[in-house]
Amino acid sequence: DTEVTQTPKHLVMGMTNKKSLKCEQHMGHRAMYWYKQKAKKPPELMFVYSYEKLSINESVPSRFSPECPNSSLLNLHLHALQPEDSALYLCASSQDIYPVGIPPSSYNSPLHFGNGTRLTVT
Amino acid sequence: DQQVKQNSPSLSVQEGRISILNCDYTNSMFDYFLWYKKYPAEGPTFLISISSIKDKNEDGRFTVFLNKSAKHLSLHIVPSQPGDSAVYFCAAAGFGNEKLTFGTGTRLTIIP
Repeated sequence: DTEVTQTPKHLVMGMTNKKSLKCEQHMGHRAMYWYKQKAKKPPELMFVYSYEKLSINESVPSRFSPECPNSSLLNLHLHALQPEDSALYLCASSQDIYPVGIPPSSYNSPLHFGNGTRLTVT
Repeated sequence: DQQVKQNSPSLSVQEGRISILNCDYTNSMFDYFLWYKKYPAEGPTFLISISSIKDKNEDGRFTVFLNKSAKHLSLHIVPSQPGDSAVYFCAAAGFGNEKLTFGTGTRLTIIP
């Protein structure tokens, strides 16, 4: 069982729809992430939240809007998506983000992933 | 520019034998390396990690080896079991690149 829970598991939406993906963790982790994964490709980072504040936005189009209501919850709001946005959207959490200038190895904070939401845009 | 590479897209190993998955990286600032396993329709599961101050880390059937001079790491699974059949991703992070960078993955198939 994963300790990061994502809903829904599957989502089909039209290009004019507005929908939201939800993610929840109860491990006390202070960093949460959204990744996108296409078939036969590695996960690609989209957003990072640290202590409920947006820390990293990997130049993601504005049709994807993240939100972190509290330390346990992470949402991804979707609007006016394109068919090429169809992918597996993964949420992850870690104890901390990797602070700039400090070796990541010094705090050993692996990411724990949810099972993802399979999104199809028609 | 693919900074973390897994040059074998797939690997088949007999049950009970050793599985060796390889990963190469180009960024000499990477100092933290992880292996993830992914089943279809599930998220990646963290397996094992290693810091650049070590050259080996073991956890049960899984051992990760790091060769910093060659910028190479490997994951050994012994003995291999059918449940090990999955896609394995290596990932790395380090100074100037604190985000995790993933490799392209290797599909491991364990033959009963």
